[in-house]
Amino acid sequence: EAQVTQNPRYLITVTGKKLTVTCSQNMNHEYMSWYRQDPGLGLRQIYYSMNVEVTDKGDVPEGYKVSRKEKRNFPLILESPSPNQTSLYFCASSPRGFTDTQYFGPGTRLTVL
Amino acid sequence: AQSVTQLGSHVSVSEGALVLLRCNYSSSVPPYLFWYVQYPNQGLQLLLKYTSAATLVKGINGFEAEFKKSETSFHLTKPSAHMSDAAEYFCAVILMDTGRRALTFGSGTRLQVQP
Repeated sequence: EAQVTQNPRYLITVTGKKLTVTCSQNMNHEYMSWYRQDPGLGLRQIYYSMNVEVTDKGDVPEGYKVSRKEKRNFPLILESPSPNQTSLYFCASSPRGFTDTQYFGPGTRLTVL
Repeated sequence: AQSVTQLGSHVSVSEGALVLLRCNYSSSVPPYLFWYVQYPNQGLQLLLKYTSAATLVKGINGFEAEFKKSETSFHLTKPSAHMSDAAEYFCAVILMDTGRRALTFGSGTRLQVQP
């Protein structure tokens, strides 16, 4: 089944404890992106990647890192999480670029205490 | 200035009634326009998209949207609401005059369907 998977789906952690949220797609898509969703703000882009080893900042990149070493994987890294990073996170991918339809993962709900 | 504005964070309709969800964008160049739907505890999925081929775009589940350049709008409609349409709806744009290689989402409209 063509899909975007994210792990974990739910995570509660404490301030400063490094964590990684994984994202993987099995559709051979070139473009991948991370968003965070907060009430009343819609989705805001954190980082995106046009292809392997090509990443760039979105609207709210502070406090996050990404890497794209393989086409299928695009992990989101929080080196030192803070409570303001408590949010619902979505990974998405699209076949060729940002103008294509994006396919979203199921989301990761992160709570930072 | 907001790039994309959705009027009404909550909309409630009766089953069988018309659904109208509003979306306006700010751009001097016609953008790519999308509507995504998010059902409870799920990711987003595409309802429809406008890519300049036709101003009236038909999507899944009976939804459609009309691009009106003069009004910079891309409102989403469905003639007859069904209980299963209850969800959050997001308008999203790609603004071709900004150089951003990303979707910009509106703040969302939660649709309630009353029996």
